[in-house]
Amino acid sequence: EIVMTQSPATLSVSPGEGATLSCRASQSVGSYLAWYQQKPGQAPRLLIYGASSRATGIPARFRGSGSGTEFTLTISSLQSEDFAVYYCQQYNNWPPDTFGQGTKLEIK
Amino acid sequence: EVQLVESGGDLVQPGGSLRLSCVASGFTFSRHSMSWVRQPPGRGLEWVANIKQDGSEKYYVDSVKGRFTVSRDNAKNSLFLQMSSLRAEDTAVYYCASQTYGTYNYWGQGTLVTVSS
Repeated sequence: EIVMTQSPATLSVSPGEGATLSCRASQSVGSYLAWYQQKPGQAPRLLIYGASSRATGIPARFRGSGSGTEFTLTISSLQSEDFAVYYCQQYNNWPPDTFGQGTKLEIK
Repeated sequence: EVQLVESGGDLVQPGGSLRLSCVASGFTFSRHSMSWVRQPPGRGLEWVANIKQDGSEKYYVDSVKGRFTVSRDNAKNSLFLQMSSLRAEDTAVYYCASQTYGTYNYWGQGTLVTVSS
């Protein structure tokens, strides 16, 4: 089973600033990496698939990058609605596909 | 509009059984692999089970093998999860989710399963 490790666990950023979230896989997953956003009391929402492709309706301020074992989600010019928990998921080596433990992006 | 609506969550005693349902609308259900993903209170996401489009293949996380059974009825756009021998560690919000090439593109709102005496 591939283990996904996200860092940091919590990131405090002011609105309008940028944020960089990291995700590391225990072995290569190629570009089979997705990012999800989850707000309190809501289901997760797909943001990024294939490491760098935005899902339908996702604003351009969300950018995914990386391949192999190191991945990054960059959010530029944070809006109030962006403060949430973010999860990465690998789907290269399945089953099981596996999620990271999440990064909570909070308002500074 | 795509909708996935789960139901069936409840409080159940350890060792008990429960059946979750998920009804889909707004997309061609029979063309999508479907999964159940769970989230214990205050914790992260865990994939539980997957069923292929025609129901011919099913996969489970090790911790539920032999206890949970996933099934679907394409004629009724429905997904099911039969859970038995429930344990406290099965307590979670259970989401049904449609998959496209491995990613979870649509999610339901979740249904809460609480296993406690």
